[in-house]
Amino acid sequence: SQKIEQNSEALNIQEGKTATLTCNYTNYSPAYLQWYRQDPGRGPVFLLLIRENEKEKRKERLKVTFDTTLKQSLFHITASQPADSATYLCALEGSSGNTPLVFGKGTRLSVIA
Amino acid sequence: DARVTQTPRHKVTEMGQEVTMRCQPILGHNTVFWYRQTMMQGLELLAYFRNRAPLDDSGMPKDRFSAEMPDATLATLKIQPSEPRDSAVYFCASGLVRGDRQQETQYFGPGTRLLVL
Repeated sequence: SQKIEQNSEALNIQEGKTATLTCNYTNYSPAYLQWYRQDPGRGPVFLLLIRENEKEKRKERLKVTFDTTLKQSLFHITASQPADSATYLCALEGSSGNTPLVFGKGTRLSVIA
Repeated sequence: DARVTQTPRHKVTEMGQEVTMRCQPILGHNTVFWYRQTMMQGLELLAYFRNRAPLDDSGMPKDRFSAEMPDATLATLKIQPSEPRDSAVYFCASGLVRGDRQQETQYFGPGTRLLVL
């Protein structure tokens, strides 16, 4: 069955370091993968989309990689700040073209000053 | 600044009561989603619509949940009768389908936090 796993429920890092979050999937052949940020009491907010033919995507301090052979995406936040503390969700297009996104359970990132 | 709105933001009700949640998608978006989020299950898709037509509601308990889109500016999710296990945060999201792909991004509302006693 299809499965999305985000490496850990929680991740604590020191301010200024690079945070790396992992999203692994099985039994999918997604055309693209997305990352969302969710703050407590709010809905998820779209951050980045990466397509299957793209290896890497950047936006300011964010970088996403997509390895379709390993079935894995890595989400990096460089020079992390306490304001980056949130839950980060990865989402994949469903297995057959015209299906909705399926979300991972998320990783809660805490950046400690 | 276009955004998805949801009402109510919070709802406390007693078991057996009807609950109606409303969503106004972003103007021009043609796809609307209803999700439920809990600590245990994460974000689960309940139902979604495209151009107001229901495409998939397999994630919903059919006997008590119903979702409708009476017009392009309003989506509703009803629970009747409500049960304590329905306590969760319910999110509405909207998006724009282009071509033959599902959509590229979803825009979420602030959610309705439901507590059924």
